[in-house]
Amino acid sequence: QKEVEQDPGPLSVPEGAIVSLNCTYSNSAFQYFMWYRQYSRKGPELLMYTYSSGNKEDGRFTAQVDKSSKYISLFIRDSQPSDSATYLCAMSAYNQGGKLIFGQGTELSVKP
Amino acid sequence: EPEVTQTPSHQVTQMGQEVILRCVPISNHLYFYWYRQILGQKVEFLVSFYNNEISEKSEIFDDQFSVERPDGSNFTLKIRSTKLEDSAMYFCASRPDSANYGYTFGSGTRLTVV
Repeated sequence: QKEVEQDPGPLSVPEGAIVSLNCTYSNSAFQYFMWYRQYSRKGPELLMYTYSSGNKEDGRFTAQVDKSSKYISLFIRDSQPSDSATYLCAMSAYNQGGKLIFGQGTELSVKP
Repeated sequence: EPEVTQTPSHQVTQMGQEVILRCVPISNHLYFYWYRQILGQKVEFLVSFYNNEISEKSEIFDDQFSVERPDGSNFTLKIRSTKLEDSAMYFCASRPDSANYGYTFGSGTRLTVV
């Protein structure tokens, strides 16, 4: 079983839709959960960062972590064409010195 | 907003040659990393660096790889004898302290080995 699994998509939605992106993981030691956005041939850009379980909201973005199910989600409300990118989940265990384990990334396209 | 700066943005090298990829992390950050991403694949951890020494490295980071922070600002990744399979995007990243996992990544260096 892969440590972090993420559906690569592609996912295509109309402008204004609510987008749901998800990752599952197998390592119960993960405590730090991140979502990054990556444009083609660019570096990952941090969107959301949460510690342990719970929800975090920032503007149109909401991150959820369910440690009991080993499942994390990112919701994008009122999606815009500028949200078109690849979204990467990443996670880390405290005892791993900050090493991030990434998912495959989900390619999102928001159509005008 | 502070940035992690990487140079060059693209490097083409012949197989067997040495390359040095350069990074300037954010100035008050304490933890430094190199990751790589082969085209179409996951971002993979290579090495972490803290307090002037390697704190962790992956299986990928073999004897052909080395890192250095020579002058308190630059952070370099050297590949001694490049192989075709080293072709990838290499990302430098940094974070402020042990409690903050808010990494900042650079824009990457695209390494092409021919």
